[in-house]
Amino acid sequence: DQQVKQNSPSLSVQEGRISILNCDYTNSMFDYFLWYKKYPAEGPTFLISISSIKDKNEDGRFTVFLNKSAKHLSLHIVPSQPGDSAVYFCASYSMEYGNKLVFGAGTILRVKS
Amino acid sequence: KAGVTQTPRYLIKTRGQQVTLSCSPISGHRSVSWYQQTPGQGLQFLFEYFSETQRNKGNFPGRFSGRQFSNSRSEMNVSTLELGDSALYLCASSLEANSNTGELFFGEGSRLTVL
Repeated sequence: DQQVKQNSPSLSVQEGRISILNCDYTNSMFDYFLWYKKYPAEGPTFLISISSIKDKNEDGRFTVFLNKSAKHLSLHIVPSQPGDSAVYFCASYSMEYGNKLVFGAGTILRVKS
Repeated sequence: KAGVTQTPRYLIKTRGQQVTLSCSPISGHRSVSWYQQTPGQGLQFLFEYFSETQRNKGNFPGRFSGRQFSNSRSEMNVSTLELGDSALYLCASSLEANSNTGELFFGEGSRLTVL
């Protein structure tokens, strides 16, 4: 039972344009939603998160939007840069379950220069 | 401050063998979690330890086990290895029992290949 789904295995975007990565979830009890970024041969690094009581969180070029009624969140990267090329994982978290993150399968983002 | 350190980084085993992976969390972090990453499956939660106690366990068979020591270092063990156990095993640490925001700090992983 995949509680967090990233339906696009890969995304290719031109440098300077917007990258939009999508994520759907099924469990309405999640408290936080996070995005992690992973380069080859490195561990995932935290990028940005959003509380379930908010609908938007922005940090520089990265903005995460949460639509609770649709159980959908998205990560916007504007403008996209070649260094953003990586695997992006959506993850969800419930304080009830301690430090356990439920991850999506990941989306490979390629930013072409 | 040093990050999460995992050893070994790469290892090759054959079916039926067992393997032990080690993780040293960020200094001061008391929670250690383990995840398995395979292509197309994302990161699957294995278990979490806090203060030497297993607090959470994922849906993996009993061949997968772990422990945490008093200095917060953790080990995970996989016995009777199967081909499907080939994966990147990631360790993550957090300061508290509940990080409040879910932010974890990951190591670079141990790449296990089972032949």
